Amino acid sequence: DSGVTQTPKHLITATGQRVTLRCSPRSGDLSVYWYQQSLDQGLQFLIQYYNGEERAKGNILERFSAQQFPDLHSELNLSSLELGDSALYFCASSVDTLYGEAFFGQGTRLTVV
Amino acid sequence: AQKVTQAQTEISVVEKEDVTLDCVYETRDTTYYLFWYKQPPSGELVFLIRRNSFDEQNEISGRYSWNFQKSTSSFNFTITASQVVDSAVYFCALSERNFGNEKLTFGTGTRLTIIP
Repeated sequence: DSGVTQTPKHLITATGQRVTLRCSPRSGDLSVYWYQQSLDQGLQFLIQYYNGEERAKGNILERFSAQQFPDLHSELNLSSLELGDSALYFCASSVDTLYGEAFFGQGTRLTVV
Repeated sequence: AQKVTQAQTEISVVEKEDVTLDCVYETRDTTYYLFWYKQPPSGELVFLIRRNSFDEQNEISGRYSWNFQKSTSSFNFTITASQVVDSAVYFCALSERNFGNEKLTFGTGTRLTIIP
């Protein structure tokens, strides 16, 4: 158990819908990262938050957004969903920077039908 | 831009054989970290090792060992006396810290199958 909790574990939704994925980092970790794993793109970095503020952005679509709340949990919002958004979405947390270990949650498997 | 290449897409070996997973990376930074993660069939990503760019000592942890060579930009992972439980997808990753843009870049993974 990495200590990072992601909910829900599985999500099935229709095209055009909006979903919210939730992540609770390990106790004491200030950084939260979101990654998308798909068959064609592999593991892609989406976005990083540090202590409530956006710190780095990767290949995140405009239809996607994220935030980190004062209690440090984070949510990834995916809207206007398309079939191609079906993927495993991982959250990871670390104390500070990626020069430390990044612990990953179990992921949320999103299926868009 | 940083890049991680895992040229071996799939490897199958018979149980108890040794196996080496290759990882080659590209970065312009002098300070960086390299990682290996394991993704078993259950799907989670399990941290295995972190190595910083200034430490080229090889590391051994039980049946696992890692060979870091800056001269060839490689960070290879060897499993000795493989077991069926080692079957998983293994990812090599590189972290590079450009101010304001910090992330892990993953390779495409190597699917390792251990045949009983």
